[in-house]
Amino acid sequence: DSGVTQTPKHLITATGQRVTLRCSPRSGDLSVYWYQQSLDQGLQFLIQYYNGEERAKGNILERFSAQQFPDLHSELNLSSLELGDSALYFCASSVDRFLGSPLHFGNGTRLTVT
Amino acid sequence: DQQVKQNSPSLSVQEGRISILNCDYTNSMFDYFLWYKKYPAEGPTFLISISSIKDKNEDGRFTVFLNKSAKHLSLHIVPSQPGDSAVYFCAASNFNKFYFGSGTKLNVKP
Repeated sequence: DSGVTQTPKHLITATGQRVTLRCSPRSGDLSVYWYQQSLDQGLQFLIQYYNGEERAKGNILERFSAQQFPDLHSELNLSSLELGDSALYFCASSVDRFLGSPLHFGNGTRLTVT
Repeated sequence: DQQVKQNSPSLSVQEGRISILNCDYTNSMFDYFLWYKKYPAEGPTFLISISSIKDKNEDGRFTVFLNKSAKHLSLHIVPSQPGDSAVYFCAASNFNKFYFGSGTKLNVKP
């Protein structure tokens, strides 16, 4: 158990809809990262937050947004969903106090857009 | 722009033998390299890491080697066990911004 909690585990929705994925980081971790994994591909970095502030942005679509709240949990909002958004979405957290702090991943949310 | 590449999608090894998983990268500014293991229906689990100032790090059956001149790292698992069967991702970081390879599926046959 990594200590990172993601909800829901599965989400099935229709094209054009909007969904929210939630992540609770490990206790004490200030950084939250979001990754997308499509069709057995690699992990594509979407966005990172550190202590409530956006720190880095990857290949995140404009239809997607995220935030980190004062209690450090994070939400990833996906809107105007398309079939191609179907993927596994992973959240990871890190203490991020020193270089090389490893990421600790949740078990992901599987999003299916029909 | 794929900064971290794992060119072998799969690898099959006999139990007890050595498993060698390879990874190449392009950015010489990476400061840490990590390996993750992923079982189906679970998130990736951190396995081992190495700083860019070292060339080898060992943890039990797992050893990571870094060849900076070739921009290449490898993970050695000795001896391989059936429970090691999983997808292995290598990752590289630059000031804690992480880049992942596409993964290698390891199958350890009993």
